[in-house]
Amino acid sequence: QVQLKQWGAGLLRPSETLSLTCAVYAESFKGFYWTWIRQPPGKGLEWIGEINHSGSGNSIPSLKSRVTISVDKSRKQFSLTLTSLTAADTAVYYCVRARYGDRNSRAFDYWGQGGLVTVSS
Amino acid sequence: QSVLTQPPSVSGTPGQRVTISCSGSSSNIGSNFVYWYQQLPGTAPKVLIYSNNQRPSGVPDRFSGSKSGTSASLAISGLRSEDEADYYCAVWDDSLTGVVFGGGTKLTAL
Repeated sequence: QVQLKQWGAGLLRPSETLSLTCAVYAESFKGFYWTWIRQPPGKGLEWIGEINHSGSGNSIPSLKSRVTISVDKSRKQFSLTLTSLTAADTAVYYCVRARYGDRNSRAFDYWGQGGLVTVSS
Repeated sequence: QSVLTQPPSVSGTPGQRVTISCSGSSSNIGSNFVYWYQQLPGTAPKVLIYSNNQRPSGVPDRFSGSKSGTSASLAISGLRSEDEADYYCAVWDDSLTGVVFGGGTKLTAL
């Protein structure tokens, strides 16, 4: 059974920094991409970025200058840091496991419980 | 504005067949596998279709996926009220070096 459990601050002010961490409860941490996806209230899904157990990863170009995704494989945890927050960053943030394979395939098969992050003054 | 284009909403009567389209480009759908996700109200999304047309175990065969060129489609046959949800297509984009989602389609069973 695979579980992802995430935590972090839920209410932040503009210009502050968001920090979220996700703990993975699973036999294997290697062999997957550990991913962050967000969803503004009432809107669609947005992929933020990913990292593997060795620390290699990618992030969406529009957020690249503000995003850091890190991994602690000894604890089976990965984290998201997003700086210079604005109201547009208000969303439910999910940590997600991605299976990968041929042709850059990414299957998001296990999701954390999600957490609403509100950016407001 | 999403990189992948989906209709905002579709509807059908119980028992009917409905399709949801997803239009992209050569850098995403045209060269990579398409995935479909179902998001029921208040829940996290769930994989419905992977690798263009494969169903994970547990997904009814009423759901099917297809791809042609730079477009993909999700078909739902024998529509049921419990199929009411938001549906998203997703695919890796070689130009952006990341995953892109469609804007989502809200399915209503009339």
